Formats: sequence, C-alpha cells, structure tokens
Amino acid sequence: SAVISQKPSRDICQRGTSLTIQCQVDSQVTMMFWYRQQPGQSLTLIATANQGSEATYESGFVIDKFPISRPNLTFSTLTVSNMSPEDSSIYLCSVGSGVGETQYFGPGTRLLVL
Amino acid sequence: GQQLNQSPQSMFIQEGEDVPMNCTSSSIFNTWLWYKQDPGEGPVLLIALYKAGELTSNGRLTAQFGITRKDSFLNISASIPSDVGIYFCAGPNQGGSEKLVFGKGTKLTVNP
Repeated sequence: SAVISQKPSRDICQRGTSLTIQCQVDSQVTMMFWYRQQPGQSLTLIATANQGSEATYESGFVIDKFPISRPNLTFSTLTVSNMSPEDSSIYLCSVGSGVGETQYFGPGTRLLVL
Repeated sequence: GQQLNQSPQSMFIQEGEDVPMNCTSSSIFNTWLWYKQDPGEGPVLLIALYKAGELTSNGRLTAQFGITRKDSFLNISASIPSDVGIYFCAGPNQGGSEKLVFGKGTKLTVNP
C-alpha cells in the first residue's frame, strides 16, 4: 500500500484565517481525494484532486472555500479558507490503490478553529 | 444520494467475545470495503470484497459480501483490547470516478 503523509498533523487557528494542508504520497497515483470528518462523524468527500486540471467538488463544497492544488502525481494541497468554528474537523487525504475502488488514507490533519 | 446504514452504532464488549457488525444499502454495490480508524489516526483498510457471496478473512476478521449485493458483514472473533476503534464500511459511489461513500461507523469498546 502507498505511504501517505500529511502536514500539519494538527493546528489551532483563528476564525477568518486560512490553512493549507499538504498531502504527500511515496508513489505516483492517479486518483487523490480529500475528505472531511467532523467530530464524532463519518467521512464526507470534499473533492477529487485531478492532476493538471481543476478539482471536482462534491455537492455542498465549493472551490472558493476549499481550493485544491495537484501539481504532480505525488502531491496535493487543500486550503480551508476564511475559517469558522464550524470548520473544526479532521481533514484526510486518500489515494486510489489502482485495485477496484479501494483507497488508502493519510493520518489526517486535526483542525480546531477558535 | 446513496446511503450506507451501519449497525450497531456502538458496542461495549468483554475481551474474548466476538464482535458482529453489518452494513446495508438500498442500492446495489459492486465492492464492499471495511476500514478501522484508531483514535487520532486515519482509516486503515481491513478487508476488500469484490464478489457477491465472497467470504474473506484477515486474521481474526471475517467479512462477507451479501448475496443480494446490498449488504456486508464483518465479524471480529475473540476480541482483544487493541480492537478498540471505529469500524467503517464503504462502497463505491454510483457516480463513479472511484469515489467512496461511508457508513456512519461502529464504535467498539473492549473491556479487559
């Protein structure tokens, strides 16, 4: 399986600011995804990060709030913009395994917005 | 949209007991995935199922792909304290593009 790292692992931010989360994979992958996990909840897909083109966002998520970059096949960033306390969540990146629809997840970024 | 109904929501069991849990959907799935999330970590893939009726084991874990393709079951045998965590089922979103939809999770507590 792919080895996935995320930075930062956690952060405490003030409302109105923005935070960029990095996701690094140890091998080239076609599919990269960003999820949000609100406290005590399941995982919700934010967007699919496409290399060389704009990310594809799920219903309820917009590019202005969650801009995503995918400069190459091993790296992606998610920015949480103009944060509010409701953005306090764990943000997870994942990659497709190339076998069916299985995905492997990074360790997550724990964000607390005050 | 697609929903996965996972039960039970939580379990409090004694060490050594078996832990059954299941996941159902109103729509057909071609793949069922089971993940475990330890506190403070990302989900880790436990078992992947690709064929209706398939029964797959991974150590003390056994998972089955329901014959109707609308459900899946996971059993942990002889539980131990390190089994504590949240177990999620997942399956491919009907929209394709390898997107997944997740169940709400089963939170497991094991009493030594």
